[in-house]
Amino acid sequence: QSVLTQPPSVSAAPGQKVTISCSGSTSNIGNNYVSWYQQLPGTAPKLLIYENYERPSGIPDRFSGSKSATSATLGITGLQTGDEADYYCGTWDSSLNTVLFGGGTKLTVL
Amino acid sequence: EVQLVESGGGLVQPGGSLRLSCAASGFTFSSYWMHWVRQAPGKGLVWVSRINFDGSSTRYADSVKGRFTISRDNAKKTLYLQIYSLRAEDTAVYYCVRDLHAQADYWGQGTLVTVSS
Repeated sequence: QSVLTQPPSVSAAPGQKVTISCSGSTSNIGNNYVSWYQQLPGTAPKLLIYENYERPSGIPDRFSGSKSATSATLGITGLQTGDEADYYCGTWDSSLNTVLFGGGTKLTVL
Repeated sequence: EVQLVESGGGLVQPGGSLRLSCAASGFTFSSYWMHWVRQAPGKGLVWVSRINFDGSSTRYADSVKGRFTISRDNAKKTLYLQIYSLRAEDTAVYYCVRDLHAQADYWGQGTLVTVSS
C-alpha cells in the first residue's frame, strides 16, 4: 500500500485526453515538489514532469502537470498508442525522510 | 549525454551478498546526489537509498536498513550498492538514478537481482 495513491488504471481513445491523479498528504505532496515518470513496457522509467509542472527538454507539451494542496495530476492530451505505459508520481516525504512513489497507473489507449 | 550503466546483478542464494555498480558519464558526477530505486517483477517503484555529493550522508528505506550500503567513488564516477543477507523479497530490478531536488531526472537501464535457491 503506497503512501501516494494513484488509480490502478485509466483508459481513453486515441486523440482524447486523460488525467491521472496522485493523492498524498501535507508531509509529502503538500510541501514538496511532485514529479511524474513514464515507464514503457520493458524499459526504465523516464522523467516526464518535475517540480510539479516543468517538462524536461524533449517532452512534448501534450504532457502537463499540476498540483493543488495534497494532490497532483498528470494530464495527457492527444493520446497516442505509443503513450500506453505505466505512470508513476513521486515526491519527497519530509516526515519519513524518504523519496516516495505512487503505486503506478497503467494507461491503456483503446 | 547523461548515461548511467548498472552492473553486478545476477542470481544469488538467500543470505548471499552482491555489489551493484553504476558507471556515470556525461555529467559532473561529484555535483549530484544519487539514488538507488528498485522494482520487483510486475510491481511498482520503490526507493531504496540515497547518497549526497561526497558520500558523507546516506539514507535508507526501512526495509533495507542494516543490510544495504550505498557508496560512491567520485574519481571513478561510480555509484555502488553493497547488499548483504539477501532475501527473496529483494528480487527486483535495481535502478541507479540521478537526483534533481529529490526527483529522479535520469535513470539507468537497471540490473536484475534474483534471490533464489
